[in-house]
Amino acid sequence: GDSVTQMEGPVTLSEEAFLTINCTYTATGYPSLFWYVQYPGEGLQLLLKATKADDKGSNKGFEATYRKETTSFHLEKGSVQVSDSAVYFCARASANNAGNMLTFGGGTRLMVKP
Amino acid sequence: EAQVTQNPRYLITVTGKKLTVTCSQNMNHEYMSWYRQDPGLGLRQIYYSMNVEVTDKGDVPEGYKVSRKEKRNFPLILESPSPNQTSLYFCASSFSTKNTEAFFGQGTRLTVV
Repeated sequence: GDSVTQMEGPVTLSEEAFLTINCTYTATGYPSLFWYVQYPGEGLQLLLKATKADDKGSNKGFEATYRKETTSFHLEKGSVQVSDSAVYFCARASANNAGNMLTFGGGTRLMVKP
Repeated sequence: EAQVTQNPRYLITVTGKKLTVTCSQNMNHEYMSWYRQDPGLGLRQIYYSMNVEVTDKGDVPEGYKVSRKEKRNFPLILESPSPNQTSLYFCASSFSTKNTEAFFGQGTRLTVV
């Protein structure tokens, strides 16, 4: 079945450091790919998405490129801020109208220190 | 404002006492879903609904029930809660299941003692 694997955290960085969070997905169909962010005490919010191969999603300085050849969708940011501290989830959409709307990775906690 | 609203945000209950967590969306979405979030396991789908009166099991449905009598509401029912249902629950909705963004509620933290 569909699955998403992302690097385990926590990831601890200093402010202005470069961030990469790895994400790979099962290659069933050609799903849209998403990164969601969960700030403390809140629900998940869409951070960015890509709908087809080679698409680059971007938002708030974060970027991720849909790599079909490596089935990856790694999240990157050139210079993190303390306010980026959150849990990040990689997700893939269902390949058809199956019931599982989204399949999530296990989440990666990012902690950014001043 | 487009939103998914869950209530309550926090709930502590005792084993065996029936409870309902409500979920409502104002975006006229057809698709709604419940997830539970547990450390190290990410989000796992409990139940989903593709439209009014159409519901089906997700990955971890045991111990839960749902109903979809109206398009906007999708309550989660625990008939006889047990401690292993202590978790953080999220309701989500989307326009469709295929390649569209999901909107999440703020979560309900449930503790069963």
